[in-house]
Amino acid sequence: DAKTTQPNSMESNEEEPVHLPCNHSTISGTDYIHWYRQLPSQGPEYVIHGLTSNVNNRMASLAIAEDRKSSTLILHRATLRDAAVYYCIRDDSGGSNYKLTFGKGTLLTVNP
Amino acid sequence: NAGVTQTPKFQVLKTGQSMTLQCAQDMNHEYMSWYRQDPGMGLRLIHYSVGAGITDQGEVPNGYNVSRSTTEDFPLRLLSAAPSQTSVYFCASSYHSVNEKLFFGSGTQLSVL
Repeated sequence: DAKTTQPNSMESNEEEPVHLPCNHSTISGTDYIHWYRQLPSQGPEYVIHGLTSNVNNRMASLAIAEDRKSSTLILHRATLRDAAVYYCIRDDSGGSNYKLTFGKGTLLTVNP
Repeated sequence: NAGVTQTPKFQVLKTGQSMTLQCAQDMNHEYMSWYRQDPGMGLRLIHYSVGAGITDQGEVPNGYNVSRSTTEDFPLRLLSAAPSQTSVYFCASSYHSVNEKLFFGSGTQLSVL
């Protein structure tokens, strides 16, 4: 079973907000949600992570549903540089980095 | 800080040849790891290390060896390359192995003919 479910692709326009969904219906109370992104021809880059409440940093916001079965990565104002594959990762290992599973992610296209 | 540095960026091998992919980090990170990424796929963990002298297998370790003699370096060795090892390889590191964000290198694209 996949730990998370994401759409294969999404499209957005430059300077508009983007909401990237992630479903993790089998999540347990101690599982963190991590988001990484991978720009073309680069290694993945950490975006944000959280457990229960919403999280904000300079790159994005993470909104976690009250029942924690889904979450949404929010890019407040998309730029062309945000075009990337976004990975939603459910960490059910208690935080062990070697247990993080990168699935296929969501390919975000940003139109000028 | 250079971050995580991988060399070479590109490599072409013939079946049966051996080579070492280099990975170095200058952030004094304890945890280092190697992933491979095949077209249209996510990343799969090959080997990881939680500190100098300590290594362990990930999801797809067959055909690869690693060692961690220093904190900074974590080389990945292919002893006898096979076409199935054609992939993009990423090295990653973090300060600790638990609840720390991963820093990735820019990758090595390997083709085995």
